[in-house]
Amino acid sequence: SQQGEEDPQALSIQEGENATMNCSYKTSINNLQWYRQNSGRGLVHLILIRSNEREKHSGRLRVTLDTSKKSSSLLITASRAADTASYFCATDAWNYGQNFVFGPGTRLSVLP
Amino acid sequence: EAGVAQSPRYKIIEKRQSVAFWCNPISGHATLYWYQQILGQGPKLLIQFQNNGVVDDSQLPKDRFSAERLKGVDSTLKIQPAKLEDSAVYLCASSLGGPGAYEQYFGPGTRLTVT
Repeated sequence: SQQGEEDPQALSIQEGENATMNCSYKTSINNLQWYRQNSGRGLVHLILIRSNEREKHSGRLRVTLDTSKKSSSLLITASRAADTASYFCATDAWNYGQNFVFGPGTRLSVLP
Repeated sequence: EAGVAQSPRYKIIEKRQSVAFWCNPISGHATLYWYQQILGQGPKLLIQFQNNGVVDDSQLPKDRFSAERLKGVDSTLKIQPAKLEDSAVYLCASSLGGPGAYEQYFGPGTRLTVT
């Protein structure tokens, strides 16, 4: 299985609801990044969280990192139709013998 | 600020033919990445350059894939000969530094179809 794996694979919610996606990984990491990909804007960086950080915010996005559980979560609050996209976590474990690895992604659909 | 440029955007070739993709990163970005993204999957790192040196090419199928970054700026990725399983989107990205310590900026990708 992959270094980073998102859960769930797919998620459908109504506009205005919150969406939570999880990422689990196997080795120790230097940092973890979240990216969004849709057909209009391609692959776009959302947040980078370092291994010594526990939580970061950016607008309606909140990312947490639990290195003891080797997991991260991405919360999107007050979702909009424009948030419809695939969301990927990517781990940097360069110091631990792993190259930069993307997970398979969570496909989020926000219904109007 | 201009983004990462890639060309061509689409390419259709027959198996056993060769193909080349071009990437121009954001000015001043030292690190350049090539990814392969198969439909429904996350991007897979093929090769990473720091300036004009290779940092990681452990997942590059070197019997058919090659890449270069002359003068530490733009880069080309070549496939020769192509196989059906090479059908994918090839993404180029760049970052200020690396590996993985900085956000990556992605180009629009080249969609390759091998028939």
